[in-house]
Amino acid sequence: GAVVSQHPSRVICKSGTSVKIECRSLDFQATTMFWYRQFPKQSLMLMATSNEGSKATYEQGVEKDKFLINHASLTLSTLTVTSAHPEDSSFYICSAPAGQLANYGYTFGSGTRLTVV
Amino acid sequence: AQRVTQPEKLLSVFKGAPVELKCNYSYSGSPELFWYVQYSRQRLQLLLRHISRESIKGFTADLNKGETSFHLKKPFAQEEDSAMYYCALSGTGGYNKLIFGAGTRLAVHP
Repeated sequence: GAVVSQHPSRVICKSGTSVKIECRSLDFQATTMFWYRQFPKQSLMLMATSNEGSKATYEQGVEKDKFLINHASLTLSTLTVTSAHPEDSSFYICSAPAGQLANYGYTFGSGTRLTVV
Repeated sequence: AQRVTQPEKLLSVFKGAPVELKCNYSYSGSPELFWYVQYSRQRLQLLLRHISRESIKGFTADLNKGETSFHLKKPFAQEEDSAMYYCALSGTGGYNKLIFGAGTRLAVHP
């Protein structure tokens, strides 16, 4: 089945540094990738939608300059948290459509737990 | 407004008891509805989708457009069903974003 590999699974960084999270589609081409953020004991909140070869679409309230998304190929999308601060600490998850139609559902990465100290 | 509501944060039942996880939605149009499950220390995975009308691991969900509901049901809960369950919707056509409910934690006790 369709698998999305997400790395790293866990990262700790200092305030002011940048962190890059990668999501790769292993056995299919992901023209679209969704990036979510999940706070403890809360639901997934969509941050942005990346499309291969074009600019990402950000949800309202998400800072484009802080959360840089790049989708340079059909199998790789990256999220870079720039100048990270403790409030950016969260669980970040990527997701891609699992089939040709959206109603096939979406496959999710295993998530990245970011801790900014 | 597009919204998914799961009123229960926690549902605790004994093994063999029936289970119903509630989900109501608000959407202008005809959405696609899904149930996702997250077992302990595992990634989120699709449980079932309304369009396929399937039963997975004994779970079923019927879309009720009149009540805008998509409740998840299982007649006899098993301990291995203990997990976090998320109801989600997306628009039709193309790769639309998923909107998630807050999730319900199902705890099945022996």
